[in-house]
Amino acid sequence: EAQVTQNPRYLITVTGKKLTVTCSQNMNHEYMSWYRQDPGLGLRQIYYSMNVEVTDKGDVPEGYKVSRKEKRNFPLILESPSPNQTSLYFCASSVRQTSSYNEQFFGPGTRLTVL
Amino acid sequence: AQSVTQLDSQVPVFEEAPVELRCNYSSSVSVYLFWYVQYPNQGLQLLLKYLSGSTLVESINGFEAEFNKSQTSFHLRKPSVHISDTAEYFCAVHRNTGFQKLVFGTGTRLLVSP
Repeated sequence: EAQVTQNPRYLITVTGKKLTVTCSQNMNHEYMSWYRQDPGLGLRQIYYSMNVEVTDKGDVPEGYKVSRKEKRNFPLILESPSPNQTSLYFCASSVRQTSSYNEQFFGPGTRLTVL
Repeated sequence: AQSVTQLDSQVPVFEEAPVELRCNYSSSVSVYLFWYVQYPNQGLQLLLKYLSGSTLVESINGFEAEFNKSQTSFHLRKPSVHISDTAEYFCAVHRNTGFQKLVFGTGTRLLVSP
């Protein structure tokens, strides 16, 4: 089954304790992206990757890191989480970003609480 | 840059009543338009999209949206809602040339009650 998976689905942690949220897709997609969803703000892009070893900042990158060493994986790293990073996180992927339409497929989400 | 406005944060409606969720966008270039749905405790699913052609687009579960270029709107409608339509709905846009960044609205929570 074609899908985007995220782990963990739920995480409660404390301020300053490094964590990684994994994202994996099995569709051989070039483009991957991370979003955070907050009430009243919708989804905002954190980071994206056009292909392996190519990453760039989105709208709200502060406090996050990413890497793209393999095509299928795009982990989101919080080196020193803070309470304002409590949010619902979504990973998404699409074939590639070009001038023609390519649907983005979303993972099930990771609910993160930072105490 | 593109932006999306969903003025209604929450829309309560009774089962079998019609509903309209409003979406307006702003862009200096031509865009593609989307509605995504998020059911409770689930990820986002593409509900319908406008890329080109007919300005009225439909989903498989009875929703429809009409692209109105002069009013820069893409409102979502359903003539008769079900309890199972309770979800959060996001309007989104991206330009149809160059780098396609998906820009989301703030979402509208549709609450259908019996």
